[in-house]
Amino acid sequence: QKEVEQNSGPLSVPEGAIASLNCTYSDRGSQSFFWYRQYSGKSPELIMFIYSNGDKEDGRFTAQLNKASQYVSLLIRDSQPSDSATYLCAVENSGNTPLVFGKGTRLSVIA
Amino acid sequence: KAGVTQTPRYLIKTRGQQVTLSCSPISGHRSVSWYQQTPGQGLQFLFEYFSETQRNKGNFPGRFSGRQFSNSRSEMNVSTLELGDSALYLCASRGRVEDSPLHFGNGTRLTVT
Repeated sequence: QKEVEQNSGPLSVPEGAIASLNCTYSDRGSQSFFWYRQYSGKSPELIMFIYSNGDKEDGRFTAQLNKASQYVSLLIRDSQPSDSATYLCAVENSGNTPLVFGKGTRLSVIA
Repeated sequence: KAGVTQTPRYLIKTRGQQVTLSCSPISGHRSVSWYQQTPGQGLQFLFEYFSETQRNKGNFPGRFSGRQFSNSRSEMNVSTLELGDSALYLCASRGRVEDSPLHFGNGTRLTVT
C-alpha cells in the first residue's frame, strides 16, 4: 500500500512568516511530486511540481525534494492570510500509475 | 483554454438509487481520473481512463464504474447508493500521461440520504 503522510495541522503562522509544510512517502520508486492547494469548499489547484532532488522556486513558493529520505516539503515565504487553505501533497510512481494524495495539512495564516 | 467541467455540481439521492456524474476534460487532454474526497479519508483514487480504456482502478466496490467516450469526456456511475457514498467526487485531466500534473474540475457534491 503506497502511502503519503502529512501532518493534518492546523499549522498556524503569523502574516509575513515562512510556512513549512512537510510530506513523507513510502514508495521509494516515486518519481513525480506535486503540491496542491485546496480552499474550503473548492477543488484542489496545482501550486508546484518537482521531479529532481533539490529545491525548485516559483515566486513565494519553494518545493524541496529529498528522495533518499523520501521527503518533500513546501515553503511559503511572506505568508498571507489568503494562503490559509489545506495543502495536499501528491506522489506518483510513473506516468502510468495514479497520483496518491496525502490527507493534507491545514494552514492558517494569522493577520 | 476552458478547464475541466463537471456536472452536476450538486446531487441529492436516496439510498438504493444510482447516479451518473459527467466530466469534460481540458481540450486535448486524453487522460481522465476520478477521485472521491471525504473528510476522513481524503482524496481516494477511483479510476483513470485514457483513450477510452481504463488504465488504473482503485480499491472501490464494483458499484463504482466509469467509461470514457471518443471525445475524451468521461462518466462515472454509482449504483445502489449507500450513505457512505456521500462525498465530493472530483474529476481531473492531464495532458501527456508521463509526469504531467492533474488539473481538477470543481467537483460534484453527492449527498445520499
